[in-house]
Amino acid sequence: ETGVTQTPRHLVMGMTNKKSLKCEQHLGHNAMYWYKQSAKKPLELMFVYSLEERVENNSVPSRFSPECPNSSHLFLHLHTLQPEDSALYLCASSQQDNEQFFGPGTRLTVL
Amino acid sequence: GENVEQHPSTLSVQEGDSAVIKCTYSDSASNYFPWYKQELGKRPQLIIDIRSNVGEKKDQRIAVTLNKTAKHFSLHITETQPEDSAVYFCAASNGGSYIPTFGRGTSLIVHP
Repeated sequence: ETGVTQTPRHLVMGMTNKKSLKCEQHLGHNAMYWYKQSAKKPLELMFVYSLEERVENNSVPSRFSPECPNSSHLFLHLHTLQPEDSALYLCASSQQDNEQFFGPGTRLTVL
Repeated sequence: GENVEQHPSTLSVQEGDSAVIKCTYSDSASNYFPWYKQELGKRPQLIIDIRSNVGEKKDQRIAVTLNKTAKHFSLHITETQPEDSAVYFCAASNGGSYIPTFGRGTSLIVHP
């Protein structure tokens, strides 16, 4: 285990549902990240939080809403998603610009 | 912003051969260059990294070289084994920015 956990591991939701992904890091890092990984596509950085403040938002649709209540927890709130949002969502943490530690990911399917 | 190009997208080798994956970056301020390995169905994990004050780093069968002038860095795997089969990602970041830029990944296939 790398010290980064994610729940749930799998999620199936309809386009009208609201759900949340959770990430927790036990490494004492000061930065947390959300990535989207689709089949045959590169890792797409969605959001970055440093010391609980959002420092990056890569033009992500508003149907994705991040929340970072403290340095150990990160959430991704989902609502009115589209089928093309189906992907693996990876959380990661790091200490500044050092190695990224990834969680196991949440496999999301939008019907 | 930073732009990282990675080549090739797919690399197929025979067991025992060497494999080389190359990345170029655009931001001369980038100073941290990690390489991640992602096996099928698993999370990406760091295998080796290098900082801009070093030209080469080696760890057993894996090595990374950095050419700051040309703005490119490469991953070298010698004596490849079937368990080296995975997707490899390079990345570049600027100290203090917290924002890494990843390459598109290279799918390495090692045939027994």
